[in-house]
Amino acid sequence: ETGVTQTPRHLVMGMTNKKSLKCEQHLGHNAMYWYKQSAKKPLELMFVYSLEERVENNSVPSRFSPECPNSSHLFLHLHTLQPEDSALYLCASSQESSGTYTQYFGPGTRLTVL
Amino acid sequence: AQSVTQPDIHITVSEGASLELRCNYSYGATPYLFWYVQSPGQGLQLLLKYFSGDTLVQGIKGFEAEFKRSQSSFNLRKPSVHWSDAAEYFCAVGGVSGGGADGLTFGKGTHLIIQP
Repeated sequence: ETGVTQTPRHLVMGMTNKKSLKCEQHLGHNAMYWYKQSAKKPLELMFVYSLEERVENNSVPSRFSPECPNSSHLFLHLHTLQPEDSALYLCASSQESSGTYTQYFGPGTRLTVL
Repeated sequence: AQSVTQPDIHITVSEGASLELRCNYSYGATPYLFWYVQSPGQGLQLLLKYFSGDTLVQGIKGFEAEFKRSQSSFNLRKPSVHWSDAAEYFCAVGGVSGGGADGLTFGKGTHLIIQP
């Protein structure tokens, strides 16, 4: 595997389900990000992790719970979601010490909440 | 707060014609600027980036962009488009918080359609 991978690529869940999205980066980076991409809206930053510590949470509802167990893996735990949470969820990584702020993205997970 | 404006939601260009996609940003200092491309069902691929130095930057797939401080713009150009360039293009700003790990602020994107 190379770059940033995300699983699953597609997910359909009911409002009462609990599911998790997984992201893995193979670039040796030390920062990871979750973004939400909804139709007709700009990409929205959800969470930022640097050196496995959460450094930013952009007022995301508590039904989204991130986890970063190590610098290569990032999870987004989902529970009691709403239909408006249906979107493409993108993971990205960067090398914080590079000073370039260049982020590399995974292919995304297309989430549909019924 | 910083913001990014891509004034064109859709652009249609004939194959072989030149292309320019517009991007304006709002930020007090010179930010880090990026262009990404997204094909249907895919993630974002980095085309090019600007941090400092030469204001004309070259990227992948024959794209280039020019930073103009006086106009707060970072427009993307390509001299001759190919049908495979049809995609969504996003301009983004980063590095504004001063921290090492910094989320990017994206424009709403420009959908590029290529006519045969």
